[in-house]
Amino acid sequence: GAVVSQHPSRVICKSGTSVKIECRSLDFQATTMFWYRQFPKKSLMLMATSNEGSKATYEQGVEKDKFLINHASLTLSTLTVTSAHPEDSSFYICSASSAGASYNEQFFGPGTRLTVL
Amino acid sequence: GENVEQHPSTLSVQEGDSAVIKCTYSDSASNYFPWYKQELGKRPQLIIDIRSNVGEKKDQRIAVTLNKTAKHFSLHITETQPEDSAVYFCAADQFYFGTGTSLTVIP
Repeated sequence: GAVVSQHPSRVICKSGTSVKIECRSLDFQATTMFWYRQFPKKSLMLMATSNEGSKATYEQGVEKDKFLINHASLTLSTLTVTSAHPEDSSFYICSASSAGASYNEQFFGPGTRLTVL
Repeated sequence: GENVEQHPSTLSVQEGDSAVIKCTYSDSASNYFPWYKQELGKRPQLIIDIRSNVGEKKDQRIAVTLNKTAKHFSLHITETQPEDSAVYFCAADQFYFGTGTSLTVIP
């Protein structure tokens, strides 16, 4: 099946610093990638949708200047949390879908646990 | 936007019994309803999905039913096993997730 990786799996940073999370599709070309955040024992909340080569589409209430998304190639999307604060601590999960895959199917990465001190 | 509600939030069943999880959605235009299983600290895994042109779909011990008129869909797990213990999420139109159900199967 399609494999999606994320790096890093865990990151701890100081308040005010920026953190970049990478999402890669390893064995397929991801025309669209999605970024979610998940609080402990809570559901996944879609943050934004990114298509290769174009600007990301953010969900209502998600600050695009705070959460910078770049989808520079068909296998890589990055999420940068800028000037991170403790309230940004969360589990961030990406997913990817391909035009060649079953319609609507998305493949999730393993997630990144961000802790902001 | 779409609003998905899921019940119950926790569910405990004896091994071998059935488990049923229910979801409702708000947007009548939604036409794709996946179910995911997520173990602690792991990624969600698609276990079954259903599209709006189908009322029921079954895959071994797992089945999903959809009532488009009432805008609700359900996951049924029969002959539950301890390894079925996890958090289950429904979703509408791929992106809008329910609040999750923590299922515990007691051996």
